[in-house]
Amino acid sequence: EPEVTQTPSHQVTQMGQEVILRCVPISNHLYFYWYRQILGQKVEFLVSFYNNEISEKSEIFDDQFSVERPDGSNFTLKIRSTKLEDSAMYFCASTRDKLYEQYFGPGTRLTVT
Amino acid sequence: AQSVTQLGSHVSVSEGALVLLRCNYSSSVPPYLFWYVQYPNQGLQLLLKYTTGATLVKGINGFEAEFKKSETSFHLTKPSAHMSDAAEYFCAVTGYTNAGKSTFGDGTTLTVKP
Repeated sequence: EPEVTQTPSHQVTQMGQEVILRCVPISNHLYFYWYRQILGQKVEFLVSFYNNEISEKSEIFDDQFSVERPDGSNFTLKIRSTKLEDSAMYFCASTRDKLYEQYFGPGTRLTVT
Repeated sequence: AQSVTQLGSHVSVSEGALVLLRCNYSSSVPPYLFWYVQYPNQGLQLLLKYTTGATLVKGINGFEAEFKKSETSFHLTKPSAHMSDAAEYFCAVTGYTNAGKSTFGDGTTLTVKP
């Protein structure tokens, strides 16, 4: 069964550094999402992406964040200058149609020191 | 706008007992509702979903949920709890005008006692 994959599974970085989190969505899906989950808290929406552009973003998704689908298979989340409070689990999700269920990847745990 | 409220951040049941996890939603458009389970240090696994049609939906691992529009609820139940059901459960709502984004509840931690 096809699945969403994410790399790396765990990323440790120093405050102020740039990180890129990578996701490979399911191949025939058209809508892509990033969510984050701070330890012990709920899952929060960051951004949705369709037709090579952002369709919606949350207040969390400020200028330090960006997303890209560089090659038709990968979907990346870049954090330009990480802060301590960016430490969280980041989940990528994809779906064929925005009304269908979203398939989540296993997540990348980002630790900012 | 959409929101989800999960009543009870922690629920504890005995093995074999009924599991009831509560979820109420708010949505300005017809909602699509989901329950996800998360085991420690793992991702989100879909348990079941309501989109349209039958209001009682069955999912994996013996779970089911009933969509009650009049009560804006989508409670999750399982007749008999197993030890393996111990996990975090999240209710989520998606509205078709919101680019399909999902809004999650705070989660309920289910503990199953032997």
